[in-house]
Amino acid sequence: EAGVAQSPRYKIIEKRQSVAFWCNPISGHATLYWYQQILGQGPKLLIQFQNNGVVDDSQLPKDRFSAERLKGVDSTLKIQPAKLEDSAVYLCASREAGTIQYFGAGTRLSVL
Amino acid sequence: SQQGEEDPQALSIQEGENATMNCSYKTSINNLQWYRQNSGRGLVHLILIRSNEREKHSGRLRVTLDTSKKSSSLLITASRAADTASYFCATDGDSNYQLIWGAGTKLIIKP
Repeated sequence: EAGVAQSPRYKIIEKRQSVAFWCNPISGHATLYWYQQILGQGPKLLIQFQNNGVVDDSQLPKDRFSAERLKGVDSTLKIQPAKLEDSAVYLCASREAGTIQYFGAGTRLSVL
Repeated sequence: SQQGEEDPQALSIQEGENATMNCSYKTSINNLQWYRQNSGRGLVHLILIRSNEREKHSGRLRVTLDTSKKSSSLLITASRAADTASYFCATDGDSNYQLIWGAGTKLIIKP
């Protein structure tokens, strides 16, 4: 069974530029999560999808971050414009049933 | 928001020794999970313990849960170099199946 796929693995941009991350969850997993993980910290939930609907986006900075999961499968997370403090690893996870989440390898973003 | 706090923040031991990490949390939970994160990689689920369980084993892993103290511990026996990673506890007490994460313990196994 293929795992959660994320791309790109690394991205370096300058502040005020835009960036997009892509996630393909495990086939059949209805729930998808995007997390932000700053170095030395645990993951912070940004947004949770159930199929193509948003369950929780209370911690998503909506003035600059957006996310979509149009067909209930793949998802994209966008930052526009990026700030220095957005430098982090962005993790995508998916869940089928139960409570265990399966993670992709993440995208490491550096904002200069 | 982060609910769990891991202790210690970092731990360095010799290969073959046992490693113990602790996690404390604040609110009631349905279950508590431990995940491992190798450098530059995503998180991998290790073990889940439900709120009505006190101890659980999986291979070289032993997890305990004390709901009265709102704390859990992860014991890795006979450590190996490959166990070098960060270990995170995550609690699930939410109907939306959201996990609340601690800041992690960085474990280094010296050969």
